[in-house]
Amino acid sequence: NAGVTQTPKFQVLKTGQSMTLQCAQDMNHNSMYWYRQDPGMGLRLIYYSASEGTTDKGEVPNGYNVSRLNKREFSLRLESAAPSQTSVYFCATSGTGTNTEAFFGQGTRLTVV
Amino acid sequence: KQEVTQIPAALSVPEGENLVLNCSFTDSAIYNLQWFRQDPGKGLTSLLLIQSSQREQTSGRLNASLDKSSGRSTLYIAASQPGDSATYLCAVPPAGGTSYGKLTFGQGTILTVHP
Repeated sequence: NAGVTQTPKFQVLKTGQSMTLQCAQDMNHNSMYWYRQDPGMGLRLIYYSASEGTTDKGEVPNGYNVSRLNKREFSLRLESAAPSQTSVYFCATSGTGTNTEAFFGQGTRLTVV
Repeated sequence: KQEVTQIPAALSVPEGENLVLNCSFTDSAIYNLQWFRQDPGKGLTSLLLIQSSQREQTSGRLNASLDKSSGRSTLYIAASQPGDSATYLCAVPPAGGTSYGKLTFGQGTILTVHP
């Protein structure tokens, strides 16, 4: 039972390059989330998907796009990376009803030079 | 807008001490409150989740309490060990809806337990 798996773990991009961060969960949760964590700013929500087929903006969505490919997978795409997007990115999931606990992946450390 | 504050920002204690980490939130209309641990360079590990109808939750040496009316939660760590050294984060989801992972986080308390 892997929980929430993110790939890659590390990535270095040049300004203007694009890339997709992948997230997969085996917890059968409906909701999935992308956060970024920056020193002094804490964790901030980028986008989330309440269920398969839906996505919504979070606090800091500019410069990002997401795709909820199916119930298990939620990807985050940077179309034209900027140095301000240097951060650690976390994917998370949560259930519903009596199973509302949120679980996080191990993170992707992205550096844009 | 919900705001979550954690005090202290950092704490250094000798091994064996009992300690309390504090979390406060401005909007008491919360569904639950979750405590996480984060080791350097790692992801967040869920420690405890307290439903809004609960007063406390326990897991091993950890005990978390919740007082919704005053907008406060505490995480009590008994008999601290060097392996407890980490950043501890509290977080709350919005009161409405079903996206319980749409969390507002505190800035965290950096705990160091020295032998």
